[in-house]
Parts: sequence; C-alpha cells; structure tokens
Amino acid sequence: DAGVIQSPRHEVTEMGQEVTLRCKPISGHNSLFWYRQTMMRGLELLIYFNNNVPIDDSGMPEDRFSAKMPNASFSTLKIQPSEPRDSAVYFCASSSILQGNQPQHFGDGTRLSIL
Amino acid sequence: GENVEQHPSTLSVQEGDSAVIKCTYSDSASNYFPWYKQELGKRPQLIIDIRSNVGEKKDQRIAVTLNKTAKHFSLHITETQPEDSAVYFCAASIVPFGNEKLTFGTGTRLTIIP
Repeated sequence: DAGVIQSPRHEVTEMGQEVTLRCKPISGHNSLFWYRQTMMRGLELLIYFNNNVPIDDSGMPEDRFSAKMPNASFSTLKIQPSEPRDSAVYFCASSSILQGNQPQHFGDGTRLSIL
Repeated sequence: GENVEQHPSTLSVQEGDSAVIKCTYSDSASNYFPWYKQELGKRPQLIIDIRSNVGEKKDQRIAVTLNKTAKHFSLHITETQPEDSAVYFCAASIVPFGNEKLTFGTGTRLTIIP
C-alpha cells in the first residue's frame, strides 16, 4: 500500500507566481480531501471530491484557489496568484465511500512558502 | 455546522503516567469520532476511532470513551512513553453518506517528561 502521495514535498516561490500541488489517492479510494494546516487556524478542509466530483468547496478561501480531479488517481490544488498568507502545509487525504468515507488517510503534505 | 472543542491545548505528563484529552462536539447527528496523532513535521495518522453505537474502545495503551448524551469524547493514554509526545487531534463526522467532512479540534500538544 503506497499510501496517499503528494508532490512536491516543499515549494518555495515568490508572491504572484502560480503554485500547483498534486495528489495521488490510495488506489480504490473514491473520496479525496484537501486540507490546509497553519498554526493560527489549525487543520481546515478546503474542498473534497466524491468519485471525482467536487462536493463541498466552501472552505476554499477565495477565487485564487482552484482544485480539480480529472480522474480517480489524480488531483491538483492550484493557487494563482499566490500570496505570502497562503504559506502553510497542504495535506491531501483519501477514503473509501464503501467504508462510509472514514477513516481518512493523509499524505505527507506539501510545505508551501510564499516569499 | 459542527463545532469541536478540544482541551487542554498543552499537556505535560511524567513518563509512565496517564494522559487524558477531552473533546466536545455540537452536532448531535455526529456519529464518528477519530483521533489523529501528528508528530513534528509529519502527517496526521489515525490512532483510534469510535462510532456512536459503542461507548468505549481500547487498543493496547490507548482508549477512547464517548458520552453521546453529553456530546463529549476523550482519549486516554496509559503508561505513557517518550514516543507518545506529539500533537493529538480529535474530530467528528457523520457516516455513512452524511457530511463526510471531518471537523477537527484545535489539537493538544502532549509532552512526555522522561
């Protein structure tokens, strides 16, 4: 079991640049969740997908953030343009609807720094 | 929506003693309560979970208790060891096919003093 795979592990870029974070869920899992973790706000759910369809994006902070899931094995979270306040650790998690969508298994995260 | 409160925010215990972390939730429909452990720089990892049809669940040194009437649940770690030092998060959700979102508590930083 390879687990949830995220890339890159670290990203440092200048404000205004486009940032793309990638996630490969566990094979067979059909729900995918994007979280953001900061000291101030803790773990926040940004968006989640069931069977590649976005179900709830109410946590997406603003229009600069977008997420896609073109197929069952890949998802992206894009920030354009990036700002220093977007600096955080972004986690992807997956789960199986057949198991009631719990538990969620987390990837190792992407540590994003916007200068 | 669901609101989960977690206490304490920091906890220090002597090695070998027990640690207890408490959470309360607001949505009486919530029926799934996982606990995640996050070591520094690592991902959250599930350590134990409980569903509302049981009141207690144990796994070696870890146990979780649930009081549905009072809407609170607790994590108990006995015979603590240095490797138990981490941040612990509680969460609540509705399963299956309800609100799959996990609402997390704010975390408890547990330090085990050798």
